[in-house]
Amino acid sequence: SQQGEEDPQALSIQEGENATMNCSYKTSINNLQWYRQNSGRGLVHLILIRSNEREKHSGRLRVTLDTSKKSSSLLITASRAADTASYFCATDDNFNKFYFGSGTKLNVKP
Amino acid sequence: EAQVTQNPRYLITVTGKKLTVTCSQNMNHEYMSWYRQDPGLGLRQIYYSMNVEVTDKGDVPEGYKVSRKEKRNFPLILESPSPNQTSLYFCATRWPGQGIKEQYFGPGTRLTVT
Repeated sequence: SQQGEEDPQALSIQEGENATMNCSYKTSINNLQWYRQNSGRGLVHLILIRSNEREKHSGRLRVTLDTSKKSSSLLITASRAADTASYFCATDDNFNKFYFGSGTKLNVKP
Repeated sequence: EAQVTQNPRYLITVTGKKLTVTCSQNMNHEYMSWYRQDPGLGLRQIYYSMNVEVTDKGDVPEGYKVSRKEKRNFPLILESPSPNQTSLYFCATRWPGQGIKEQYFGPGTRLTVT
């Protein structure tokens, strides 16, 4: 399976701290996406990084990609209580099949 | 407002009783997909459709059927539901084209099969 794996499975931090979560995947990719899910709700797309990119920023989000290690990380800076959610990485096989990891559950304490 | 809608949102049913979960989108997206989400397993793709009358199996298609007779609708059919299909189901859509990967998700349907 190409499914990614996030690490850690759960993360609890104080508001204002940075949160880092990691994703590892198994096969070569063209791009990797990160999604956010508030409890029991639909996923929301956060950011996409292409295989020829090493780092990408969007607001307080910073994503890195290391294709040699088949891994990506998502950094949320200056976290807020509203960032409490589960975060998933997703890859695709370039033929329209998508693979999601099992997610990191982030809890930001006010 | 651009949206993906699913109905019903919650469903409790019994083993063997056929059911359909509907998915509808108003974004004119060609690509639609169904996922199931189970604790510890993340989201797994059940079926996807590139366009009307074109459907393909995802990672876990067993026990499910889909149809795509119109662009906006992509129903998920469980002909004979079993307890192992108890799960949270999501429909998702995206723009066509290989370079566009962002998916838009519906609110989810929580299914319990007893």
